[in-house]
Amino acid sequence: RKEVEQDPGPFNVPEGATVAFNCTYSNSASQSFFWYRQDCRKEPKLLMSVYSSGNEDGRFTAQLNRASQYISLLIRDSKLSDSATYLCVVNSENAGNMLTFGGGTRLMVKP
Amino acid sequence: IAGITQAPTSQILAAGRRMTLRCTQDMRHNAMYWYRQDLGLGLRLIHYSNTAGTTGKGEVPDGYSVSRANTDDFPLTLASAVPSQTSVYFCASSAGTGGRETQYFGPGTRLLVL
Repeated sequence: RKEVEQDPGPFNVPEGATVAFNCTYSNSASQSFFWYRQDCRKEPKLLMSVYSSGNEDGRFTAQLNRASQYISLLIRDSKLSDSATYLCVVNSENAGNMLTFGGGTRLMVKP
Repeated sequence: IAGITQAPTSQILAAGRRMTLRCTQDMRHNAMYWYRQDLGLGLRLIHYSNTAGTTGKGEVPDGYSVSRANTDDFPLTLASAVPSQTSVYFCASSAGTGGRETQYFGPGTRLLVL
């Protein structure tokens, strides 16, 4: 079983739609959680950190459920420019504080 | 500010050849990392360095070596390339090694081993 699992997609949605991605992690000792964004043939970039109480950044909302060991990302009012692969990332102290990446979920926003 | 640069951008390499991928950062970050990204497998950590002069093994270190002679540079060497090392290689850095540190990635090196 992969340590961090994501539905690879692709998720095809029209502009203006709301779309949600989920991610599950296996290491119950995981401490920090992130969503990174990766455009086609580009490097990953931090989109947002995920806090226990949930957090929002404009059209993006991240939630963490420690009991069920999953993380979610909600994108409201999708834009064409949101088309990318979204990587779920987990940091675990008992893994030397190394980041573990999910395989990514691909989002395609259509006009 | 350049951030992190990698060279070469892409390379075709014959199996058995030696190759060094270069990575340089100008942010004075203490920690640096090398990942490989393969379709369906996501990013996997090859080697890391928490500070100049120290290195450590990641998830997939076999066939690769690194050095960290100074803060800015973190080269990755394939001593004798094999086709399974065909991948996209990303170098990254972070200011520290704490749990919430953001990692900043270079643009990647696309390597094809024939």
